Amino acid sequence: ILNVEQSPQSLHVQEGDSTNFTCSFPSSNFYALHWYRWETAKSPEALFVMTLNGDEKKKGRISATLNTKEGYSYLYIKGSQPEDSATYLCAYPPDAGKSTFGDGTTLTVKP
Amino acid sequence: EAGVAQSPRYKIIEKRQSVAFWCNPISGHATLYWYQQILGQGPKLLIQFQNNGVVDDSQLPKDRFSAERLKGVDSTLKIQPAKLEDSAVYLCASSPTRGAGEKLFFGSGTQLSVL
Repeated sequence: ILNVEQSPQSLHVQEGDSTNFTCSFPSSNFYALHWYRWETAKSPEALFVMTLNGDEKKKGRISATLNTKEGYSYLYIKGSQPEDSATYLCAYPPDAGKSTFGDGTTLTVKP
Repeated sequence: EAGVAQSPRYKIIEKRQSVAFWCNPISGHATLYWYQQILGQGPKLLIQFQNNGVVDDSQLPKDRFSAERLKGVDSTLKIQPAKLEDSAVYLCASSPTRGAGEKLFFGSGTQLSVL
C-alpha cells in the first residue's frame, strides 16, 4: 500500500490570505500526481494532473508545483476567498490508475 | 456532458441489514471505481472495473461487499450484512481509460449511516 501524506490536516485562514499545503508521495517509479477539490455536498473535482518533475500548473488563484525527485507537491491559493473552503485531496496513481489518496487538507476561509 | 450519477444520496440502515448503491458513469468511460471515504480519511479504493471486468478488488471486504458492472456501463455495490464500521461516503468515479494520467470524474456520493 502506497503512503501518501498531506499536511496540514486542517487550515483556517482569513479572506485575502494566501496559503499553501503539501502532499508527499513515494519518489520511486513516478507516473502522475492528481489534486482534487471536494466542496461540502458536492462531488470531488479534479484541479490538476501533474506528470513531469518541475511541473507548475495554474488555475485562477490556485497553482501547484511538483518535485518528483524528493516526492512532494505543493498547492498554493493566492488571496483566499470563502468559496475556496473545501477539502483538498491529492492522489498518487501507479501506472494502472488505481489512485491512493491522502487524507486531505480541509481549508476554511473566514470572511 | 452528463456527469457521474449515483443514488441514493443518503441511506440510513440498521446493522446486519443490506444496502445497495447504484452508479452510472460518464458515457464512454471504460474505467469505473468505487471508493469508501470514512470521516477524516481520504477515499479508499474498494474495486476498479475496466469495462465489465474487475481489475482490482484487493481492498474489498469480500465476505460482505460485492460489486458488479454488467454490460460495462452501470455498476452496483452491495453490502450484506452491514456493520457499524461501514458508515461512510461511498463514491463512484469513472475515467476514459485506466492510465495514471487520467483524472477521475466523481459522482456526488452516497452517505451511509449504519445504526
